[in-house]
Amino acid sequence: SQQGEEDPQALSIQEGENATMNCSYKTSINNLQWYRQNSGRGLVHLILIRSNEREKHSGRLRVTLDTSKKSSSLLITASRAADTASYFCATGRETSGSRLTFGEGTQLTVNP
Amino acid sequence: EAGVAQSPRYKIIEKRQSVAFWCNPISGHATLYWYQQILGQGPKLLIQFQNNGVVDDSQLPKDRFSAERLKGVDSTLKIQPAKLEDSAVYLCASRPLGRYEQYFGPGTRLTVT
Repeated sequence: SQQGEEDPQALSIQEGENATMNCSYKTSINNLQWYRQNSGRGLVHLILIRSNEREKHSGRLRVTLDTSKKSSSLLITASRAADTASYFCATGRETSGSRLTFGEGTQLTVNP
Repeated sequence: EAGVAQSPRYKIIEKRQSVAFWCNPISGHATLYWYQQILGQGPKLLIQFQNNGVVDDSQLPKDRFSAERLKGVDSTLKIQPAKLEDSAVYLCASRPLGRYEQYFGPGTRLTVT
């Protein structure tokens, strides 16, 4: 079964607004990663946060990790129409950080 | 730097036929993965190679799926015989040594009729 569960399943916002997606997982992890998938394209790595980190930034992306609650959130600030995509969290297990387990994804639609 | 290459991009076959997918990872990436992504779901790992050895194939349906990575570079994934439920996108990914992020190819969309 999938380890990560994203919430919400779908999110629709206006350009310029912020988008927040959440991910929960079940077992101990080594790292947590977020990926984006546009229609017709493969998965693209966005950001990685290690289990000993609490927050990480990359451009308009901000990721938080709460290992006590086994949850993570991805914030996209000042969204653009080009951010429209599916976003997946993927967890690397404590014993094998290189093997990823993906969640079901959040479908984000940014309306111009 | 060239990305992960996959072919074909699309394949339509009838059930009980066989099919093969090819992947060429990013040069120098020792670890290669095959994933199955069913429509509306996240990718599910099928098999992980380190160089030409299998690291994890616990989720590979071995009665019909097989994969190999000869010479530790290119890889092929085969399904024989295909079932309707095998309709999915098959993604190949590679990972550089010492890092956790994976680089994905464009995928092969398989339709089994």
